[in-house]
Amino acid sequence: QVQLQESGPGLVKPSETLSLTCAVSGYSISSGYYWGWIRQPPGKGLEWIGSIFHSGTTYSNPSLKSRFSISVDTSKNQFSLKLTSVTAADTAVYYCARQTVGAAPAWFVPWGQGTPVTVSS
Amino acid sequence: EIVMTQSPATLSVSPGERATLSCRASQSISSSLAWYQQKPGQAPRLLIYGASTRATGVPGRFSGSGSGTEFTLTISSLQSEDFAVYYCQQYNNWLTFGGGTKVEIK
Repeated sequence: QVQLQESGPGLVKPSETLSLTCAVSGYSISSGYYWGWIRQPPGKGLEWIGSIFHSGTTYSNPSLKSRFSISVDTSKNQFSLKLTSVTAADTAVYYCARQTVGAAPAWFVPWGQGTPVTVSS
Repeated sequence: EIVMTQSPATLSVSPGERATLSCRASQSISSSLAWYQQKPGQAPRLLIYGASTRATGVPGRFSGSGSGTEFTLTISSLQSEDFAVYYCQQYNNWLTFGGGTKVEIK
């Protein structure tokens, strides 16, 4: 069965760049599906950040500024998220998840366990 | 951006009772709606997609209905493990989540 595992620094200073990786096991990313990133600030709801297809085609939340970038490394079977110029508002649990096969990304299943990120000096 | 509004914010229900959760879209999303369950400290779990199709392994007491702008998640007889926060998510036009409904023990 497919499993996803996020990894990241945990603590990032304001104005720095946050880099997160989602390692996928049990399924080859190059075989298909969309792969997405979602975040959840403490005590709040879920926010879709963006998604990537195995070919590298990306979809990003138009409501967010273009500080995010998503990439895929099929050789390592993982995909990554970069967020530049972080602020305290970027403090959240970051999840990665597989999405559906189709014309566009849809629902998320399964999810990784999430990795907490705190932005603080 | 399509705004998803869930109601109520909190629902107090006794075990064994029926729970009805609502999700409204700011514009029509056809049947492009998913429901998730999230327990404290855990990642969300997919329950329903396509507005009414149960995901693999989801118990039959969970059912989804609706289309267009009005959707409902029904839990027919609440079990202890069902007390959690529930989110709806549309995928008709980009992806947006509702604010969630917390189902708590009455």
